[in-house]
Amino acid sequence: KQEVTQIPAALSVPEGENLVLNCSFTDSAIYNLQWFRQDPGKGLTSLLLIQSSQREQTSGRLNASLDKSSGRSTLYIAASQPGDSATYLCAVGKAAGNKLTFGGGTRVLVKP
Amino acid sequence: ETGVTQTPRHLVMGMTNKKSLKCEQHLGHNAMYWYKQSAKKPLELMFVYSLEERVENNSVPSRFSPECPNSSHLFLHLHTLQPEDSALYLCASSQNEGTASYTFGSGTRLTVV
Repeated sequence: KQEVTQIPAALSVPEGENLVLNCSFTDSAIYNLQWFRQDPGKGLTSLLLIQSSQREQTSGRLNASLDKSSGRSTLYIAASQPGDSATYLCAVGKAAGNKLTFGGGTRVLVKP
Repeated sequence: ETGVTQTPRHLVMGMTNKKSLKCEQHLGHNAMYWYKQSAKKPLELMFVYSLEERVENNSVPSRFSPECPNSSHLFLHLHTLQPEDSALYLCASSQNEGTASYTFGSGTRLTVV
């Protein structure tokens, strides 16, 4: 059974600092890995999707890496801003059209 | 809007009521999902529909009944719920091929009184 863990559970940084969020998964037989952002009481917004054959994806200040063999992914957010404050969720998919297994999320607070 | 629309956004219902949650997607996806998000818990998968067939029922109590009449619409029918069923219910869609990127709706905040 796939288990996804995100550490730390919460993170507080001053504005301008780089953020590093970690995600680990127990079964390396994944189809893809997706990072989401969730604002309080809202739905999930997709940030980055990494296919199992890829090592990283980038979008603006965001970069996500994937090391399938070690069961790890890292989300980097450069030059953090107060607007980056949210919960960040990592999820792995076993196959297309199949369920995602989610981690518990990392709650991020960026202080002005 | 993400392309996945959920209604209503908020719902308060008594334990003897019957209500339905609605999800609609116009992304051309052929798989749809219901997830439950309770306080301080990871998102829990409830149901998966792929090509309008239910392919997974994740041990969900029968007081939750899904319906997928076509590839664009998904419903969750609610009947005699319990207060512990209060949660954020999220709908998502994806393709069952290719990148299979998920798109989520904004959710329905359900409170059972």
